[in-house]
Amino acid sequence: SQQGEEDPQALSIQEGENATMNCSYKTSINNLQWYRQNSGRGLVHLILIRSNEREKHSGRLRVTLDTSKKSSSLLITASRAADTASYFCATVLIQGAQKLVFGQGTRLTINP
Amino acid sequence: SAVISQKPSRDICQRGTSLTIQCQVDSQVTMMFWYRQQPGQSLTLIATANQGSEATYESGFVIDKFPISRPNLTFSTLTVSNMSPEDSSIYLCSVSFSSGLGYTFGSGTRLTVV
Repeated sequence: SQQGEEDPQALSIQEGENATMNCSYKTSINNLQWYRQNSGRGLVHLILIRSNEREKHSGRLRVTLDTSKKSSSLLITASRAADTASYFCATVLIQGAQKLVFGQGTRLTINP
Repeated sequence: SAVISQKPSRDICQRGTSLTIQCQVDSQVTMMFWYRQQPGQSLTLIATANQGSEATYESGFVIDKFPISRPNLTFSTLTVSNMSPEDSSIYLCSVSFSSGLGYTFGSGTRLTVV
């Protein structure tokens, strides 16, 4: 079953604008990860944030984590056409096997 | 990170038949997983492939339908048995070195059942 809910399900913006995607989850986590998927194929790991971290940056990516609200956000600044893809959050739970449980994903379209 | 070779990359199969998907990793990994991604949907974990023992299946998935082998630390197979059109999906292999941290995904197998 899916751990996370993501919103929006689809987002379409102009090139150069910032894109924000949100993820909520249900149970306590060890860490939360964001992935990108182009054209329904293999996933690319973007960034990992641990449960004791509140914010992380990687290039044009900024991820926040609020464990009290069980939510995370991914911000892509200065978007480019090449950022067009589906973005998924995935959580690793504190208890149980170390498996990734995915949210429903956001389909991001960057218009040139 | 690991390099994963997943085969086949795509296949079109007749209903009632079975397809075996292979996942080969270039180094020994702690954990291997199999996911299904139905059209337009997110990834759903099918099972954790355990080296030398039976796989651990998630709710809604059973061994008779999705038998999994993992004979060593670098290789696993997933079989989709007695296929129906509802099995048309992308199947992805994933591996992890460090428990709960780095995960790498194969490029996926796009299966169409007709």
